[in-house]
Amino acid sequence: DAGVTQSPTHLIKTRGQHVTLRCSPISGHKSVSWYQQVLGQGPQFIFQYYEKEERGRGNFPDRFSARQFPNYSSELNVNALLLGDSALYLCASSLRDRGINEQFFGPGTRLTVL
Amino acid sequence: LAKTTQPISMDSYEGQEVNITCSHNNIATNDYITWYQQFPSQGPRFIIQGYKTKVTNEVASLFIPADRKSSTLSLPRVSLSDTAVYYCLVGGGMDSNYQLIWGAGTKLIIKP
Repeated sequence: DAGVTQSPTHLIKTRGQHVTLRCSPISGHKSVSWYQQVLGQGPQFIFQYYEKEERGRGNFPDRFSARQFPNYSSELNVNALLLGDSALYLCASSLRDRGINEQFFGPGTRLTVL
Repeated sequence: LAKTTQPISMDSYEGQEVNITCSHNNIATNDYITWYQQFPSQGPRFIIQGYKTKVTNEVASLFIPADRKSSTLSLPRVSLSDTAVYYCLVGGGMDSNYQLIWGAGTKLIIKP
């Protein structure tokens, strides 16, 4: 079975632009979470979706939004990009939305904002 | 939300047992403790998860004292390929709004 896939692998944008990152969870997984990881730091939680509903939101501005589709894939959108948005964006899928629940991570999308 | 504190870095040698301790003084009653491993340019990989006492799987053990204010990840007989960053997380329970809080991680370097 394929693991979590993310696209694109790398992306270069300029300040003020908009970006859409995509994630396909492991087959059968209904929960998708998004994280931002700045170089040298641990991942920071952005969103969690389960069964197409938002179940959790981290401390990120409204420029960040996400959605989950009927096939459980997900998109993360970031508007009005800032230099500080440069990071590795990780997607993780899991069977359940809470409790004892192993998350499986994708390889990430490396976003560079110039 | 509970915050975790772990050593920034650790060194050890092949074949040794490595113990990484994480402090989480404000852990909520229904929070879990989870450890992940991350190699450069890869997404984190789940190692182990527990709530109390001791949990063991094929790659590691997790020791959690009764007060749950700390936890220790034990890696038996490490090899060079265990060089990575190890993250201690708490959360996942109702009091944490089911979120997981990631610390800064411990960079573990295994030497020959």
